[in-house]
Amino acid sequence: SQQGEEDPQALSIQEGENATMNCSYKTSINNLQWYRQNSGRGLVHLILIRSNEREKHSGRLRVTLDTSKKSSSLLITASRAADTASYFCAALEYGNKLVFGAGTILRVKS
Amino acid sequence: KAGVTQTPRYLIKTRGQQVTLSCSPISGHRSVSWYQQTPGQGLQFLFEYFSETQRNKGNFPGRFSGRQFSNSRSEMNVSTLELGDSALYLCASSPVPQMNTEAFFGQGTRLTVV
Repeated sequence: SQQGEEDPQALSIQEGENATMNCSYKTSINNLQWYRQNSGRGLVHLILIRSNEREKHSGRLRVTLDTSKKSSSLLITASRAADTASYFCAALEYGNKLVFGAGTILRVKS
Repeated sequence: KAGVTQTPRYLIKTRGQQVTLSCSPISGHRSVSWYQQTPGQGLQFLFEYFSETQRNKGNFPGRFSGRQFSNSRSEMNVSTLELGDSALYLCASSPVPQMNTEAFFGQGTRLTVV
């Protein structure tokens, strides 16, 4: 498999709580991206962090990148029921190939 | 601006048949990538096209092929279908080959091989 790893595989939280997902990848990357997928539909881009960046924010999302550990994390603050979805990290390897993690299934209970 | 359009949305084929899937990228986008998503293997890169040229290819057998037309629309073809080819096939477009830009995904074509 080409995939990196994500943990946890599944996460269930209450509305208003924070959700943290972690991702590891295998090779040197150009950037790392996070996507959301609802019920087997298309992926929606959430945020992109370049290899020379360590942290990035977008609304309720915060992404960190540690290239020395080849890992990234996505934090969703003050989660809502509408955040229920699968979340994937994708590492853009040199050669312009996006390598996806296995994904984290997030369920936010209202 | 219209998003990435994939047709058809659903498809049922028999083992041994071939299938062609279509992807129309966002207007002005010249790079198209294809991915296969299955419960067992997750999202896997198939290939990327830019200006009618295949730039990258994933680890899939030669039964999987694609092409891109001068208007940037892309097709992928799978010949001699196997049951394991049942998957959601996703197409993504970006203005240029993915560097520091996001990819925009279509809703996918769900292929079922029986």
